[in-house]
Order: sequence, then structure tokens, then C-alpha cells
Amino acid sequence: EVQLVESGGGLVQPGGSLRLSCAASGFTVSSNYMSWVRQAPGKGLEWVSVIYSGGSTYYADSVKGRFTISRDNSKNTLYLQMNSLRAEDTAVYYCARSPGPTGTWFDYWGQGTLVTVSS
Amino acid sequence: DIQLTQSPSFLSASVGDRVTITCRASQGISSYLAWYQQKPGKAPKLLIYAASTLQSGVPSRFSGSGSGTEFTLTISSLQPEDFATYYCQQLKTFGGGTKVEIK
Repeated sequence: EVQLVESGGGLVQPGGSLRLSCAASGFTVSSNYMSWVRQAPGKGLEWVSVIYSGGSTYYADSVKGRFTISRDNSKNTLYLQMNSLRAEDTAVYYCARSPGPTGTWFDYWGQGTLVTVSS
Repeated sequence: DIQLTQSPSFLSASVGDRVTITCRASQGISSYLAWYQQKPGKAPKLLIYAASTLQSGVPSRFSGSGSGTEFTLTISSLQPEDFATYYCQQLKTFGGGTKVEIK
């Protein structure tokens, strides 16, 4: 059974850092495109970042230069390192899988982890 | 960048109604469109991918159609568990969402 479990969210001050983790089971993270998607309170969904099976990474303009996506193949885990956090980064962060090597949609999602940026 | 515009943003309907939600792309995207359902406090759930392919386990009352720049999600007979917010998505872009509420 495919499962994604996020962790690492919490309250952080503006300018601070946080690392989110997404532990996967039932499939191999490195064989799929893996993304982070966030949702600010009461707002819609916003794509944040993707890591392709080949290792290429891409970011939304709103987080470029501040966030870094990575994976640990030995732990089958996806990460999102978030630096220089701003109030507007406050959101629930979901990790999501795209099926196969070229899937353009998200077939499995984690339960989400809340990040609150506030002093 | 491609933009996705959903309409309506809010919809009030009754159980048993046929409901249609539209998603318009700012440029042609072939059939690279997916639809999701999200309930409060929960992660989005994939309903439709490749514009018209029903995800495994999703009830057949959900259907998708369209290609190019105009797409629709149809719920043939709205059920109580279908009251939720629906999003379209293409690659790195999501539509603004359509909230379906009970009339």
C-alpha cells in the first residue's frame, strides 16, 4: 500500500529555517517525480517544488533560492529544506507523488504538515 | 506560465443534481489535466487524470472531458459525500478551486 507521511512542521520565527520530511512506503521515491504542494489557511493549492526521478529539481518563483528539495534513497524519504521563512510561507505542506517517470498529476498525497511563520 | 481559471468559484446544489465545473487554460495543454476533490482538513484526492480517465476507486458518477483549453468535471448525480472543493491541475499550476455546497 502506498503511503506518504510528512513531519517536521511547526512554529518558526520570520527568517528562520525548518526541514520537512516525507517518509514513503509501498513504492520507491527515486523512481517517481515527487513534489511539495502547499495550502495557506483558507486558500487554494500552490505547487512548491518537484524532484524528478533523474534528480533534476524545480521551484516556484515564490520559494526559489530559499527552499531546497532533496531525497534520501536509502531512507526512501523526501525532504524540503526551508530557509529565510516569511509570514507568507505559512501553510499546510503536502508531499505528493506523480505516477511513473512522466506522470503529470498527483496520485498519492500525504496528510500534510502545518508550518506557521510568526513572531 | 499557463494559468487555469475555474468557474464557478462557488456552487450551491442539491443532492441528486447534475453539476458541471469548468477549467479554462490560458494556452493549449492537450489532455494534460487532472481534477481533485478536497474536503476540509484533508489532503486532495485525485478524481480524474489525462482529462477524462477515472482514477481507480472513484465512483462512476464523476467524469471529465475536454482538451486544448477547455475542460469540464461533471458529477452526474450529486451525493452528500460530494460536497467539497474541487481543483483542476496541469503540471505546476492549480486552478483557484470550486466550492460545492448544499443548497
